[in-house]
Order: sequence, then C-alpha cells, then structure tokens
Amino acid sequence: GAVVSQHPSRVICKSGTSVKIECRSLDFQATTMFWYRQFPKQSLMLMATSNEGSKATYEQGVEKDKFLINHASLTLSTLTVTSAHPEDSSFYICSASTPQEISDTQYFGPGTRLTVL
Amino acid sequence: GEDVEQSLFLSVREGDSSVINCTYTDSSSTYLYWYKQEPGAGLQLLTYIFSNMDMKQDQRLTVLLNKKDKHLSLRIADTQTGDSAIYFCGVSSNTGKLIFGQGTTLQVKP
Repeated sequence: GAVVSQHPSRVICKSGTSVKIECRSLDFQATTMFWYRQFPKQSLMLMATSNEGSKATYEQGVEKDKFLINHASLTLSTLTVTSAHPEDSSFYICSASTPQEISDTQYFGPGTRLTVL
Repeated sequence: GEDVEQSLFLSVREGDSSVINCTYTDSSSTYLYWYKQEPGAGLQLLTYIFSNMDMKQDQRLTVLLNKKDKHLSLRIADTQTGDSAIYFCGVSSNTGKLIFGQGTTLQVKP
C-alpha cells in the first residue's frame, strides 16, 4: 500500500515552454501533497504544500506564478513549471500523506527529472 | 527553525553493521523518519519512530532515539551491497512539514 506515482519520469523541454508534472496517490486518498526539488548531491528542498480543494502554500523564495500547483482531487496534484529556463532543470519529487495515518507519514513518488535546454 | 544534521558519507564492508547518525534541534518533533534514496529514484520509507519510544526494530533495521541528546540513529545489520544508497533522516515539525538532513551516502564494499 501507500504507492505514489509521478508522470513523466523524465522530460526535456525548450526554454520558454511550460511543463506539467503529475503526482498521484494510487491506493490511498491524499489530503495533503508536498512538492520538493532536489539538486545533485543535495537534500530535498520543500517548494510547497498543497491541500485538496485549496490553494497551495509556498515556501519562502518559491515563485507561485512560476510553479503552479493544483490539487483538484484526493488522488492527484499537478505542478506546472511555467516559462521554464535552464536554471529550472532539477529533480522534482512529490509526496503524499493521509490523515488516516496517525504519523502523517509522507510517501514519496519516484521523481521527475526536468531538463530545460 | 528546525535543523537536522547528518554525516555525509559512510563506508562499510559487506556483512558488517552500518550505523547512520542524525541530530536535530526541535525537541517537540513527534515523529522521526528514515528514508532511503537510490540513484535517480524517489525516497523509500524505511521506518519511523514515535518520539516517546527509545528503540524500534524491524528485521535488519534498528532505530535508536535519544531524546535528551536529540540524537537518532539507524543501524543496518549484515549490510549488503544492495543497501548502498543515500539515507535521509526526516524530522516532523509542528507545521506538519518534514525537515530533512543532508543525507548520508552509504557505500558497501564487497
């Protein structure tokens, strides 16, 4: 149980285009989903927290107009990188948690490697 | 805010025990987690411990928590080459977020 998928696993795009990344909880309902960014050989940096049906809460320094997050259902959240630039190239990982677990454990997706040319 | 520290690298021989350490600053943390990340993959939950516990064992994994010293460790018994990965300590904050350490790269030599 507690499987989270991401799609696509890898994407290459041209500078100036927008890219959408999907995060799905496959066998549980995720009231809260988190989006992280990870640079090579570094830890995870939390970008935003999204709750189903409400606006995402962004961390300091993360541009909400650049990284659009939608959490339209209890099993799906999307991250859209708008007008992507080479500095947006990174590994993006989502996670999901459910209130059915007392521990608020986060279950992570496999990540999406974004390369902007 | 919460600060979580880990050593960056650990090398062991196959069959030996590995001990990965983590220190944190927020004494109100409720849950503490260990995740494993293999190259190019997401984080895999290994185990977690509630803050009122001192120890938790799950097969080859033993988690020790010293709440007084704010020290968490993960012991892997009989370490195998398949255990080579980056291990992240994650500490829950009062905002519901997870704060991660920098990750410890475990290298297992045959």
